[in-house]
Amino acid sequence: EPEVTQTPSHQVTQMGQEVILRCVPISNHLYFYWYRQILGQKVEFLVSFYNNEISEKSEIFDDQFSVERPDGSNFTLKIRSTKLEDSAMYFCASSERSGGRSETQYFGPGTRLLVL
Amino acid sequence: LAKTTQPISMDSYEGQEVNITCSHNNIATNDYITWYQQFPSQGPRFIIQGYKTKVTNEVASLFIPADRKSSTLSLPRVSLSDTAVYYCLVGEEGGGNKLTFGTGTQLKVEL
Repeated sequence: EPEVTQTPSHQVTQMGQEVILRCVPISNHLYFYWYRQILGQKVEFLVSFYNNEISEKSEIFDDQFSVERPDGSNFTLKIRSTKLEDSAMYFCASSERSGGRSETQYFGPGTRLLVL
Repeated sequence: LAKTTQPISMDSYEGQEVNITCSHNNIATNDYITWYQQFPSQGPRFIIQGYKTKVTNEVASLFIPADRKSSTLSLPRVSLSDTAVYYCLVGEEGGGNKLTFGTGTQLKVEL
């Protein structure tokens, strides 16, 4: 069964450093997403991406965050200057068709980011 | 965006049937009901989706009464590996890209 993959599984960084989280969505999917989950809290939407553009972003997704699809397979989330409160599990997801809520989104295993 | 309410936690034993009910009194005509499962330190996983009446797949059944103001996820004969958080999501097809997760129901299955 095809699956979304993410690297690295764990990332430790110093406050103020830049991090890039990588995702390989399912190959025939067209819509891509990033979510995050702070320990013990809800899964929160960050951004959705379609046709090389951001479709929607949340208030969390400020100027410190950016997304990119640098080639035909990877989808990345960059945090330019990490803060302590960016420590969380980051999930990438993809869906085949329209990103409507009834469309199944497939999630990756996540990257656990720890900012010291 | 229809608000959902579900129990914070439930306990069960292996082999039992578990029913988790979600209330969504303000569900709109175009809204679908979707359930996701999340194991610790993993991403959410789609379980089942429905609009009305009953939907069944290899994992679970979803019961939706005629007024659609609630729905019940039914897990037959649970095992230890079904211990997870279960999320009920309600939203419109094509109405938006994001999934909005609540706090979910923590199901704990014991021997």
